[in-house]
Amino acid sequence: QVQLVDSGGGLVKPGGSLRLSCAGSGFTFSDHYMAWIRQAPGKGLEWVSYISSSASISFYTDSVKGRFTISRDNAKNSVYLQMNSLRAEDTAMYFCAVSISGYYRHWGQGTLVTVSS
Amino acid sequence: DIQMTQSPSSLSASVGDGVTITCRASQSITSNLSWYQQKPGKAPKLLIYAASSLESGVPSRFSGSGLGTDFTLTISSLQPEDFASYYCQQSYSVPYTFGQGTKLEIK
Repeated sequence: QVQLVDSGGGLVKPGGSLRLSCAGSGFTFSDHYMAWIRQAPGKGLEWVSYISSSASISFYTDSVKGRFTISRDNAKNSVYLQMNSLRAEDTAMYFCAVSISGYYRHWGQGTLVTVSS
Repeated sequence: DIQMTQSPSSLSASVGDGVTITCRASQSITSNLSWYQQKPGKAPKLLIYAASSLESGVPSRFSGSGLGTDFTLTISSLQPEDFASYYCQQSYSVPYTFGQGTKLEIK
């Protein structure tokens, strides 16, 4: 069955960096767009970024442009989110998800990022 | 960016009741709308895609409708496991924005 495992979250100081990972299995990873979606504590869902199956296309929400970079390694069935210049407002649970025509059938369990001094 | 506005933000209902949640887009998104259910501490679960297509394994008491800017999610007869938060999401243009959510609570 399809499984996505998110990892890499943790506590980081403002201005710091963190790299999230998401490992997929049970499906042909290289055929699918992948996305990162986040949820601040007690808040709603916020779409963050996606990357195309071949990594030729990526897109970011405005609040993370220039600070976050999405990438993927199809040989390792993994997608990554490099987060730099982190701010308190980036504190959230980060979920990776498989994108199928822009909707998300399969999600990771999430990894928590806390930005605090 | 396309803004998605859900209403109500919260809703109290009893087991067996029927409820409707609405989602309005700031511009036409044709039928590119999904609905998700989320329980505390869990990842969201896809319920409806393409505005009205029921995801495999989702009970038939869930249904979606709408086209253009106005959409609804209807639960025909609430079961105890349906008390959760619900989100709409547009996939017409990036960024693929979500509604702010509707928390469905037991009355």
